[in-house]
Amino acid sequence: DVKVTQSSRYLVKRTGEKVFLECVQDMDHENMFWYRQDPGLGLRLIYFSYDVKMKEKGDIPEGYSVSREKKERFSLILESASTNQTSMYLCASSALVNSGGRGNQPQHFGDGTRLSIL
Amino acid sequence: AQTVTQSQPEMSVQEAETVTLSCTYDTSESDYYLFWYKQPPSRQMILVIRQEAYKQQNATENRFSVNFQKAAKSFSLKISDSQLGDAAMYFCAYKLYGQNFVFGPGTRLSVLP
Repeated sequence: DVKVTQSSRYLVKRTGEKVFLECVQDMDHENMFWYRQDPGLGLRLIYFSYDVKMKEKGDIPEGYSVSREKKERFSLILESASTNQTSMYLCASSALVNSGGRGNQPQHFGDGTRLSIL
Repeated sequence: AQTVTQSQPEMSVQEAETVTLSCTYDTSESDYYLFWYKQPPSRQMILVIRQEAYKQQNATENRFSVNFQKAAKSFSLKISDSQLGDAAMYFCAYKLYGQNFVFGPGTRLSVLP
């Protein structure tokens, strides 16, 4: 089974701090994603990556950056945390879209990090 | 842009009964994929069932089945013989080939003993 591990389940930080959320997957997946989950809004894509050192903005990238130095690890960075970034953050991974399949590869999720910014 | 709507923020079902969760989506494409994900309280989100739009037959996974109405752009999830472990947030998702997932806002399902 795919294992996606997020470094923290709960995290409390202060406004203005630089925050790192780490995600590691063990299935050699090419694709990795960061979402934030808020009540009534579902999952919104922040950033994604299809390869090492490659990153693409999702729907809500403002205030965030990412790093993918190794295939298995995808980090989300809050450069200067603000209270409106208090949320649940989910990391996901999936196999390459065009690896012979028709693109319906599901995403595999981590347990999530509930981040509170005070 | 594609959108996914789940009109029921919360639902409840009696244990052993059947419940249907609604999902509609907006797209002009003809070939795409639809998914239902389950997120139990404080636990990992997992895939429940998926459907390819080019397939007319509705997908089924044990007690979970879908009613896919392509013309109506509807993709409802039916849970039969509901169990306490089915209590969770359920997310409907749409995916176009080569594009990212689009998730709905979710439906919180409670199962009453």
